[in-house]
Amino acid sequence: KNQVEQSPQSLIILEGKNCTLQCNYTVSPFSNLRWYKQDTGRGPVSLTIMTFSENTKSNGRYTATLDADTKQSSLHITASQLSDSASYICVVYSGGGADGLTFGKGTHLIIQP
Amino acid sequence: GAGVSQSPRYKVAKRGQDVALRCDPISGHVSLFWYQQALGQGPEFLTYFQNEAQLDKSGLPSDRFFAERPEGSVSTLKIQRTQQEDSAVYLCASSLERAGAKNIQYFGAGTRLSVL
Repeated sequence: KNQVEQSPQSLIILEGKNCTLQCNYTVSPFSNLRWYKQDTGRGPVSLTIMTFSENTKSNGRYTATLDADTKQSSLHITASQLSDSASYICVVYSGGGADGLTFGKGTHLIIQP
Repeated sequence: GAGVSQSPRYKVAKRGQDVALRCDPISGHVSLFWYQQALGQGPEFLTYFQNEAQLDKSGLPSDRFFAERPEGSVSTLKIQRTQQEDSAVYLCASSLERAGAKNIQYFGAGTRLSVL
C-alpha cells in the first residue's frame, strides 16, 4: 500500500528561526511530490511540486528537496514568520488518475513570537 | 468568486439525519474532487468528477455517500443516515485540467461535519 510518512508530527520554533520538515514515501510508481500548507480552518494550498528529475525547488522562504533514490523529501523554511504557523502536508502522486494522490498526515508547525 | 467555495462551513447533524454539502469550484475548472479529512490526518480521496461525469468514486466509504455534479460546475456531496464516524472535514478541490501529473488542485476551506 502506498504510504507517506511525515516527521515530526508537530514542531514549535521561535520566530525568525529556520526549520526542516521531513517526508518519506513508499509510493510506486512515482510521478511527482507536492508540499501543501494548510492553515487552521482552511483548505491546503500548494507550495511546490517536483518531478523525478528535480531535486530542489524554492518558493520564497520555502525550499523543498527531493531524493528519489532514497524516497525522501524535505521542506526547509527560512527566517520563520508567525504566518508560517500551519500544517504542512506532503503528497505524492503515483499517476493513474484522480485517486493517485497519497497524502501524509502533515506536520503541525507553530511559530512563537 | 476567485476561489473554491464550500457551504455550509459547519454542520451539526443528529445521528441518522441526512446532510448535503455544497461545493462551488473555480469557474471553468474541469476537474472536481471530494476528500474527507479526519482530525489530525491528511485528506482521504472520496470521488472525482471530470465535468459532469463521475469518473471515480472508489473512495466513497459506503453506499450512504453520494455525490453529483449535474451541470459540470456546482457539486453536492450527500450523506444519508449519518453516523458518528462520518464526523470530519469534507474538502472540495477543483483544477483546470483533467486529473493527471500536472494537475494542480485548488482547495476550498471545507465543511466541518459533526454528527452527534
